[in-house]
Amino acid sequence: SAVISQKPSRDICQRGTSLTIQCQVDSQVTMMFWYRQQPGQSLTLIATANQGSEATYESGFVIDKFPISRPNLTFSTLTVSNMSPEDSSIYLCSVRTGGRRLAGHNEQFFGPGTRLTVL
Amino acid sequence: ELKVEQNPLFLSMQEEKNYTIYCNYSTTSDRLYWYRQDPGKSLESLFVLLSNGAVKQEGRLMASLDTKARLSTLHITAAVHDLSATYFCAADNNAGNMLTFGGGTRLMVKP
Repeated sequence: SAVISQKPSRDICQRGTSLTIQCQVDSQVTMMFWYRQQPGQSLTLIATANQGSEATYESGFVIDKFPISRPNLTFSTLTVSNMSPEDSSIYLCSVRTGGRRLAGHNEQFFGPGTRLTVL
Repeated sequence: ELKVEQNPLFLSMQEEKNYTIYCNYSTTSDRLYWYRQDPGKSLESLFVLLSNGAVKQEGRLMASLDTKARLSTLHITAAVHDLSATYFCAADNNAGNMLTFGGGTRLMVKP
C-alpha cells in the first residue's frame, strides 16, 4: 500500500486568488493523479502528474487553470488558479502502485483530500 | 470513451437485509475497483477485481466481475449500520493508467 498526505486539509479562499495543494507519498510511485470531487458528486480525473515532464490533462481541464508540478517520484503539487466559487470541491491526490499490468498489484490509493471553499 | 454507471444511486436498507449494487461499464475493461467513502473522508479501497469471474469477499461485502457482460456487483449480506457510506466502482482503461468512476451509491442502513 501507499500512505499519502496532503496539505492543506482544507482552506477557505477568496475569489481570484490561487491555492497550491501538496501531495506527499511515503514511497516512490510511477503514477500520480489529481482528482476533483464536487459536492455530492463522483470523482473526476483532472490530470496525470508525470515526473520530469508536463502533466497530461483530461478534457475540460487546462494547465493555465490547474498547473501541476511533479519534481520527483514521491511529491506533486496542484495549483487551483484564479479561483471562483465553482472551484469549491475536494481535491484528491491518488497514486497507483505496482507495474501497469502486474497481476495482483496495481491498486490505486487516495490521499485524505483537500476541501476547498471559494467565497 | 469508457463510461461507468452505478445503480442504484441511493439505497436505504434495513439491518439484516441483503442487497446488490450494480456497476456497468461501456467498453472493454479487465480491471474493476470498489471503494468506500464515509462522509467527509477520502476513499478506502475495498476490492480490486482483475479478471473475468473474479469474486472477492470481505466480511459482509462480496464483489464479482463479469467482463463479458461488462458488469460488476457489490453484494451486501445482512447489512449493519456500520456499512452506511457511499460506494464507488471504477473501471480501468485498457492501458491500465486511468480510472473512470461511477456516480456512487449512497447506502444508508437503518437500525
